[in-house]
Order: sequence, then structure tokens, then C-alpha cells
Amino acid sequence: LQLQESGPGLVKASETLSLTCTVSGGSISSDSYYWGWVRQPPGKGLEWIGSTYYSGTPYYSPSLKSRVTISVDTSKNQLSLKMTSVTAADTAIYYCARHSGIFDFNYWGQGTLVTVS
Amino acid sequence: QSVLTQPPSVSAAPGQKVTISCSGTSSNIANNYVSWYQQLPGTAPKLLIYDNDKRPSGIPDRFSGSKSGTSATLGITGLQTGDEADYYCGVWDSSLSTVLFGGGTKLTVL
Repeated sequence: LQLQESGPGLVKASETLSLTCTVSGGSISSDSYYWGWVRQPPGKGLEWIGSTYYSGTPYYSPSLKSRVTISVDTSKNQLSLKMTSVTAADTAIYYCARHSGIFDFNYWGQGTLVTVS
Repeated sequence: QSVLTQPPSVSAAPGQKVTISCSGTSSNIANNYVSWYQQLPGTAPKLLIYDNDKRPSGIPDRFSGSKSGTSATLGITGLQTGDEADYYCGVWDSSLSTVLFGGGTKLTVL
């Protein structure tokens, strides 16, 4: 299984950050697995953004819920992230990852750095 | 400051053993499943331990996990220079309805 994030590396403040995670070597519609986004500001720790089951309702970190939308496109085997009204504090490496119901993130993408200018 | 508390750094000599603690509360560690991740410099995190004490296939038995009450511990024996990395604990918090990660612990193998 491989996950690959893609999207603009530079986003202007107040605009919307949009990222896509393409899943290969497996189906995003797999039973029992969830798909999520985790970010890591440069030199800092990990922060969970949110997760979704392929056919379920996404759930988000309370601190980001008002600005984030996560969705799945099963026809393209892709996970997406949209974050509105970004600021410099949203500058981070963004990872997509797969986990089971106990939140064990067992597959990760390589991550993509998004800088908010 | 993270809700899950880890020591910022630990160190030990090659071949020795080290433990990394993760302290939480009844709404997270005590009643949910703890995972541990290794992040080598410049790479994505890698799952080392899930369900408190289980190792994914391919993870050597030098790595172990345990949990007692509101604390969890990662143990690494037979330290190697290649183990130098940042280590994070992670768990669901039932009260906050969010996944929490510890602040991370930098392991130095002297």
C-alpha cells in the first residue's frame, strides 16, 4: 500500500489549502480502515486534523473543525483535504495516513510541505 | 503544551536499554489504545506499537510497549545508532473527541 500527497506547496494567507492523497496498491474502500490527515509544523510535533471512513461521516479535530473538510473519491482512490482561511500557523508538513478503529496510523504518505505566505 | 506528556529527550549507549514514558489521563491513555511511532530525520512517522503492546509485522522485538493506568511506556533494548529518532505516543481522547499525540521524545544513542 502506498499513499502520496499532492498539492500546492505555497498558499497565500486567508486562502484555501487543498491537498489530495492518492492511494495505490490497495482500495480506499477497504473494510475496517479509516483515512486521515496529520500535520507537523517544521521542527514541532504531530497534530491530527481529521479522519473519515470511505462511506462514513468525517470527524475532525475540534480545534480545526470550523475550517476543515475531508472527503473521499472512491472512483479515483483519493482522499482530499480542504482548509479555509489559512494563516502562517498552518505552515506544516501534511501527511495522509491509514488507521484502524483504534487510531493506529499504520501507513503514511511521505508528506508534503505547505507554506502559508 | 501537549495533553500527553513525554520527556523531551532521552539518551543511552549502544546496546543499552531505554524507556520513554507517555503520561495522560483517564479520558485518553487509561481507557483507549496507545500507539507509538518512530520518526527518523526527514521521514514520515512509522508505527512501532499499536493496541498498547502489539508490534506490527516487521518491527523487531527490541521494541515493546506497556500501559498502566494513565501512563504508557515504550521500551527499546539493544540500542543501535539507527534508532536515533523522535518517538511519539498517540491515543484517542474520549472527552476531547480528538486524537492526541505526545510532544515527542528525541532519542540519542551516544
